[in-house]
Amino acid sequence: GAGVSQSPSNKVTEKGKDVELRCDPISGHTALYWYRQSLGQGLEFLIYFQGNSAPDKSGLPSDRFSAERTGGSVSTLTIQRTQQEDSAVYLCASSLEAGGRGGTQYFGPGTRLTVL
Amino acid sequence: GENVEQHPSTLSVQEGDSAVIKCTYSDSASNYFPWYKQELGKRPQLIIDIRSNVGEKKDQRIAVTLNKTAKHFSLHITETQPEDSAVYFCAASKGSGTYKYIFGTGTRLKVLA
Repeated sequence: GAGVSQSPSNKVTEKGKDVELRCDPISGHTALYWYRQSLGQGLEFLIYFQGNSAPDKSGLPSDRFSAERTGGSVSTLTIQRTQQEDSAVYLCASSLEAGGRGGTQYFGPGTRLTVL
Repeated sequence: GENVEQHPSTLSVQEGDSAVIKCTYSDSASNYFPWYKQELGKRPQLIIDIRSNVGEKKDQRIAVTLNKTAKHFSLHITETQPEDSAVYFCAASKGSGTYKYIFGTGTRLKVLA
């Protein structure tokens, strides 16, 4: 079946502009996660959704970052007033449920964000 | 805070040899340990996972071992092939009722033909 999809695959923007990154999870997956991966680095947790609510936003680096999820499906990660240090690959993952045997996370292909 | 350490950061092996990657976690409540493989420019793909009620799990050429007392787990790849070349990430999670994966920093594996 269809996996997690993300759009756009690449985004180049100028410093100070706002960007929106989109994630379509696997159908029926209730949990959705955003991670950031800087060049050659590991995966940094940003935020987690259970349904439309975000019980854990602890990984968001600053108040310029926000995310929402609607209809228990699509999620959008918004970065306002982008800075060069925001350049990274933003990965989305979804899981059937949060934790337990249905908690295995499946990743999307990522959005490569470049801030000039 | 919660932490997962992963070693080595890079590993080169000859084709046909074995590769071992080790991870140590800090949170004793962790009970689910997935391993992901990420090829260049691609998404991380789950290759194997283990839960804390077992000590070892094997899937063809890949195996994972877990030592809960020492809080470490390892990935073993036998008879390595060039297509095994990738970055491998370990992660630890508290499993039931929780959600957050704490990832290791990754191991870049190169299998030399």
